[in-house]
Order: sequence, then structure tokens, then C-alpha cells
Amino acid sequence: KQEVTQIPAALSVPEGENLVLNCSFTDSAIYNLQWFRQDPGKGLTSLLLIQSSQREQTSGRLNASLDKSSGRSTLYIAASQPGDSATYLCAVRRRPNDYKLSFGAGTTVTVRA
Amino acid sequence: NAGVTQTPKFQVLKTGQSMTLQCAQDMNHNSMYWYRQDPGMGLRLIYYSASEGTTDKGEVPNGYNVSRLNKREFSLRLESAAPSQTSVYFCASRLAGGLEGTQYFGPGTRLTVL
Repeated sequence: KQEVTQIPAALSVPEGENLVLNCSFTDSAIYNLQWFRQDPGKGLTSLLLIQSSQREQTSGRLNASLDKSSGRSTLYIAASQPGDSATYLCAVRRRPNDYKLSFGAGTTVTVRA
Repeated sequence: NAGVTQTPKFQVLKTGQSMTLQCAQDMNHNSMYWYRQDPGMGLRLIYYSASEGTTDKGEVPNGYNVSRLNKREFSLRLESAAPSQTSVYFCASRLAGGLEGTQYFGPGTRLTVL
């Protein structure tokens, strides 16, 4: 069974600092990994999706890396802003048409102005 | 384009009551999902529908039933609510197949069972 872990559960940083969020998974046989953002009281918004053949994906200030062999992904957010405060979740899919995503519990980020 | 919509946004039930959570998507997606989110835990899949006319159990299906009414709509029913079903429920949809793996989520239904 795939277990997905996100440590730490919460993180507080001053504005401008770079954020590093970790995601680890126990079964390296994944098809892709996805990072989501969740604002309080809201649904999830997809940020980045990395296919298993890729090492990283970038979108603006966000960069996600994937190391399948070690079962790890890292989400980097450069020059954090108060608007980046949210919970960030990672999720892995095992096969292309696997209908199940295995989610981590998330890291709640607070960026202090 | 509204994306994924869910109703109601909030609901309080007494133990033993029944209710149906509604979900609809306007993106012409094939697959739809129901998840629950509990504090300190990741989202857990309750049921999913790979395509219109099919439904399958996820990780935590006990106490729930679903209906894929048509391609757009996927409802979740609690026949006899229990306090353990207090949670936030999310519906999601996905254009299955190919490299398009992104799931799109609704805003959630916050359910309290007393």
C-alpha cells in the first residue's frame, strides 16, 4: 500500500524567504505526482504535475522536483509572499488509469508579513 | 465554465438521518470521485466513477452509496449518518486517459453529524 508523508505538518516563515516543502512516498513505482494548494475552507487547486519520467516541473515561482528512486518530491516556492499561506498537499498516482490518488496529509504554510 | 460544483456547502445532521450530497462538472470529464478529508489525514477516496454508468468502491466506502446520474453528475448518499462521518467531502473530476492526469476539485461540503 502506498504511504505518502509530508513533514513538517506546519511551517511559518517571514516574507521573502524561500519555502521548501517535502513529500515522501513508500512505493517508487509511480506514474505521476501532483502538488495541490488548499486555502482554508476551500477545495484543492492543482499547482504542478510531474510525470515519473521527469525530474522537475516549474511554474513561475514554483519548482517541483521528483526523485523516484528515493521516493521523494520537493516543492520550492521562491521569495514567499503572505498570499502563499495555505496548505500544500502532494498526491501520487500509481498507473496511468489508476483511479486512486494517494494523498499526503499536507503542510500548512504561514508566511508572515 | 463553473468547473466542479457541490451542494450543499454546509450541513448538520442528527445520527440516523439520511442525506445526499450533489456534485456536477461542466468540463465533459469522464471520471468523477468522492473524497473525505479529516484533520491530520490526507484525502481518502470513498467511491469513484470511471465513466458514465460505472461506479466502484474506494478506500473507505462503508456507510455510503453513490449514483452516476449522467456524465455531469455524481451524487453521494449517506443512508444513516453516524458521528464518524463528520468530515469535509470533496468531489473531483478528471479527463481520464492520456497524460492528462489532473483532478479538478469542488469547494467541498462540510458535514457535521451530531
